Amino acid sequence: KNQVEQSPQSLIILEGKNCTLQCNYTVSPFSNLRWYKQDTGRGPVSLTIMTFSENTKSNGRYTATLDADTKQSSLHITASQLSDSASYICVVGTKAAGNKLTFGGGTRVLVKP
Amino acid sequence: GAGVSQSPSNKVTEKGKDVELRCDPISGHTALYWYRQSLGQGLEFLIYFQGNSAPDKSGLPSDRFSAERTGGSVSTLTIQRTQQEDSAVYLCASSTIPEGGQYFGPGTRLTVT
Repeated sequence: KNQVEQSPQSLIILEGKNCTLQCNYTVSPFSNLRWYKQDTGRGPVSLTIMTFSENTKSNGRYTATLDADTKQSSLHITASQLSDSASYICVVGTKAAGNKLTFGGGTRVLVKP
Repeated sequence: GAGVSQSPSNKVTEKGKDVELRCDPISGHTALYWYRQSLGQGLEFLIYFQGNSAPDKSGLPSDRFSAERTGGSVSTLTIQRTQQEDSAVYLCASSTIPEGGQYFGPGTRLTVT
């Protein structure tokens, strides 16, 4: 069964600090991995997307890594800002018809001043 | 340009009533997805449309759920005889190609009383 597991479930950090979110998956056949940011009451917004051959991708203060061998990904947030408070969702797409996505449960990040 | 739009943004209905949720994808996007996000849960795939192909309905939780996509553009998700467990945020996403990044709408929050 395709699964995506994220850790931690929630995280509180002080403004200006860095943090790293983890994602482990068992989706097969693997096509791509995406990190989304979801503000409360809003739809998810894509941060990064990586295919099998990519092992790192950055979007501003967000850097995602991918280890396709161990089926792990991380999202690193540098110099956190209050606006980073949101849920971060790891999503894995398959090569199966329709590029079905399997969603992780998300990590809820709260940045405190 | 305009993103994915959904309407209504909020819907409160009585148990047993039918509801229709609407999604306007980004113009030119051939792939359209419906997801459900229950309180405290991850995103759950419901149904996928790609061009003129038969939709992938494998995620629909029961036969009370159905969806249409007219003219390859606007989509309507219908829930018949709503139950309290149908209460959730229903998200629509579209992409240019199945393998492309999915752009999410703001969602419709459905509350069944």
